[in-house]
Amino acid sequence: AQSVTQLGSHVSVSEGALVLLRCNYSSSVPPYLFWYVQYPNQGLQLLLKYTTGATLVKGINGFEAEFKKSETSFHLTKPSAHMSDAAEYFCAVSEGGGADGLTFGKGTHLIIQP
Amino acid sequence: SAVISQKPSRDICQRGTSLTIQCQVDSQVTMMFWYRQQPGQSLTLIATANQGSEATYESGFVIDKFPISRPNLTFSTLTVSNMSPEDSSIYLCSVGETSEQYFGPGTRLTVT
Repeated sequence: AQSVTQLGSHVSVSEGALVLLRCNYSSSVPPYLFWYVQYPNQGLQLLLKYTTGATLVKGINGFEAEFKKSETSFHLTKPSAHMSDAAEYFCAVSEGGGADGLTFGKGTHLIIQP
Repeated sequence: SAVISQKPSRDICQRGTSLTIQCQVDSQVTMMFWYRQQPGQSLTLIATANQGSEATYESGFVIDKFPISRPNLTFSTLTVSNMSPEDSSIYLCSVGETSEQYFGPGTRLTVT
């Protein structure tokens, strides 16, 4: 069975500061890993994904994440936070990419301080 | 990526009634999924709906409560039956492409 743990239900950073959202996963097979963002009263938007190959993946809005197999982690980063980044972020894992349902973490609410 | 729409976008229903949620995709897709997001919570997979076969339900979800139809490759419905206040959630459909999933805007259901 697969699972996802997101450390920190709320993360607060100052505008312009580094954003780091933590995600650890467990999977019995090489995983597909995803980060989604949900703005208030909106649906989920795919930020980035890891399938195979390069372990550092770049996504939209300046976000990137690094797959570390030895640490079973897939942390999300952004060098400089912007007010518009305030949202809920979900890490998810799948064992079959688009062919399997996703298992989500509990989410991290990112707060940007002016 | 596929464009996904859902109807209704929101509804308020009385307990004991049923609501059918529609999910329409602008292209043919094999894999469709239904998720539930309870207030302030993460998303939980309800079932996988493939065209031409019975939906596959996750543990804790049953067909009598959440019947699903998948009549063709662009459309699916989820019915929430005999509703109770605990069914108040956002219900989202998603479509699976080769290596990722895209989500519809969701249906916000409130049961009174």
